[in-house]
Amino acid sequence: NAGVMQNPRHLVRRRGQEARLRCSPMKGHSHVYWYRQLPEEGLKFMVYLQKENIIDESGMPKERFSAEFPKEGPSILRIQQVVRGDSAAYFCASSPGMNEKLFFGSGTQLSVL
Amino acid sequence: KQEVTQIPAALSVPEGENLVLNCSFTDSAIYNLQWFRQDPGKGLTSLLLIQSSQREQTSGRLNASLDKSSGRSTLYIAASQPGDSATYLCAVRFQETSGSRLTFGEGTQLTVNP
Repeated sequence: NAGVMQNPRHLVRRRGQEARLRCSPMKGHSHVYWYRQLPEEGLKFMVYLQKENIIDESGMPKERFSAEFPKEGPSILRIQQVVRGDSAAYFCASSPGMNEKLFFGSGTQLSVL
Repeated sequence: KQEVTQIPAALSVPEGENLVLNCSFTDSAIYNLQWFRQDPGKGLTSLLLIQSSQREQTSGRLNASLDKSSGRSTLYIAASQPGDSATYLCAVRFQETSGSRLTFGEGTQLTVNP
């Protein structure tokens, strides 16, 4: 049973470009969470999704950021018109149900030049 | 506001020593608490999950305790090894947020010296 898979591992974008981060949850997990870890800071919650639904996006910036978890395929975190301040490690986690143990992926390191 | 605090921020110990990492949280209304370790440049590895109704959980050399009423949890590591060197994160699922997220502490960076 493969763990949570994130790709790419590293992503380099120039200011103004779009970044797409992918996350495939563990088999049997229908709950996906995205977290961001800025340099020298802790992990901050961004968004919580179940299949085809956004449950809680209170941690996600109102502009330029969006997330989806379609019926088929991975969850996508999309950042439009990236700025240098978006440079961070983005982690995805999944769980089989609400309030259950979270399993994290290895993260995507986004660098904005 | 629900917050999680970890003390100390960094800890350095000689190999073989037993040690305790501390975590405190501001709201006792929680679903559960989870301890993770994070290695440099890597993701998070789940260590232990304690439900709000439990007092402790054990896995190998690790023991995590929970005192919900005082808003505290400890992670005890017995007979520490250099391979235990990592950042240890405490994360709490508060009921206020409907359990939809984990709120993380800033972590304790542990170094075990051979």
